[in-house]
Amino acid sequence: GAGVSQSPRYKVAKRGQDVALRCDPISGHVSLFWYQQALGQGPEFLTYFQNEAQLDKSGLPSDRFFAERPEGSVSTLKIQRTQQEDSAVYLCASSPAGASGRSYNEQFFGPGTRLTVL
Amino acid sequence: DQQVKQNSPSLSVQEGRISILNCDYTNSMFDYFLWYKKYPAEGPTFLISISSIKDKNEDGRFTVFLNKSAKHLSLHIVPSQPGDSAVYFCAATFGNEKLTFGTGTRLTIIP
Repeated sequence: GAGVSQSPRYKVAKRGQDVALRCDPISGHVSLFWYQQALGQGPEFLTYFQNEAQLDKSGLPSDRFFAERPEGSVSTLKIQRTQQEDSAVYLCASSPAGASGRSYNEQFFGPGTRLTVL
Repeated sequence: DQQVKQNSPSLSVQEGRISILNCDYTNSMFDYFLWYKKYPAEGPTFLISISSIKDKNEDGRFTVFLNKSAKHLSLHIVPSQPGDSAVYFCAATFGNEKLTFGTGTRLTIIP
């Protein structure tokens, strides 16, 4: 079956431009995560959805970052007035069930969107 | 504050020998630990995991060991194969599934 897909795969933006990054999770997956991976670093958590509800947005670095998942499927990460420090790979992951607290549900990652802000 | 640390940025191992990748963590609340493998231009792929109530989990050539008192885990790959060359990330979570990753170790298997 199809895995997690992300588009675009590469995005070059001029400083100050707004960008929108799309994630199509695996069909039926309840949970959706966004991570930011800077060069030479591990992925860092940005935000988490369970269906359409955004349950955790503690990792969003500023109010320029906004994420939504209005119908509990496709998600969009929007970055307003991009700055050079926003340059990174943005990874989306989905998992089949909500947080259970007692067992772990594997996260399946997409290939990421590489954002370069000039 | 780096809660999950991988202190070796890179590791080279001869094909057929054992590869040992190490990871340390500081947050005692973590109750589940994972290893992900990443090839260039692809997303991380889940490899193996371990619950905090266990000290060892094995899956084929891959074994993960957890030492809770030392807040240390390791991934053993034996025998190492050329296709194992990739970046390996250690990750940890508690309850809510949000993953905290280390900075990764680039493993190169030498034929």
